[in-house]
Amino acid sequence: GENVEQHPSTLSVQEGDSAVIKCTYSDSASNYFPWYKQELGKGPQLIIDIRSNVGEKKDQRIAVTLNKTAKHFSLHITETQPEDSAVYFCAVGGSARQLTFGSGTQLTVLP
Amino acid sequence: GAVVSQHPSRVICKSGTSVKIECRSLDFQATTMFWYRQFPKQSLMLMATSNEGSKATYEQGVEKDKFLINHASLTLSTLTVTSAHPEDSSFYICSATRYTEAFFGQGTRLTVV
Repeated sequence: GENVEQHPSTLSVQEGDSAVIKCTYSDSASNYFPWYKQELGKGPQLIIDIRSNVGEKKDQRIAVTLNKTAKHFSLHITETQPEDSAVYFCAVGGSARQLTFGSGTQLTVLP
Repeated sequence: GAVVSQHPSRVICKSGTSVKIECRSLDFQATTMFWYRQFPKQSLMLMATSNEGSKATYEQGVEKDKFLINHASLTLSTLTVTSAHPEDSSFYICSATRYTEAFFGQGTRLTVV
């Protein structure tokens, strides 16, 4: 089955700096790569996703890049704010119906 | 985005009793819903896939008689934890897929005392 590795497990940045989280996967047939933000005591919220026919996608301060050859994709958050502090999960699947999650990254944005 | 509502958000029950958790897709129909379990500071672990009108598909190691899933309609799936024990205490999360995106409920914190 699919194996997803996510790094780092914790990340602290100063407010205004950028944060980058990276995930690698094993199944070259996977073609859907979403990122979720989970706040304490809540369910995950989809923040951005990318499909295998696209190399990069951006939505305001958030961007995701995908390298299918190397089988890795990354989440980039620019101009971080304290409210960006949360746990971020990457996921991989053949579709949104079959997702394997990474282990999560606790992002802390220091004011 | 689409809304998936999960109820209750928190529940405390006595050991040996059963607890039902509801997952509703509020503004779309979902033929398939998913149930996850999450331990503190860990990732989401898929428990089972809930299929409307048919039996749920359970992941390896998940006891189907312990975690009863019913997908009675296109907008409602329920997870019943039967004869709950303290080791069943966890955060349970459901999700439903609309078109090509997966949306999650807000989760249920189950504490068995």
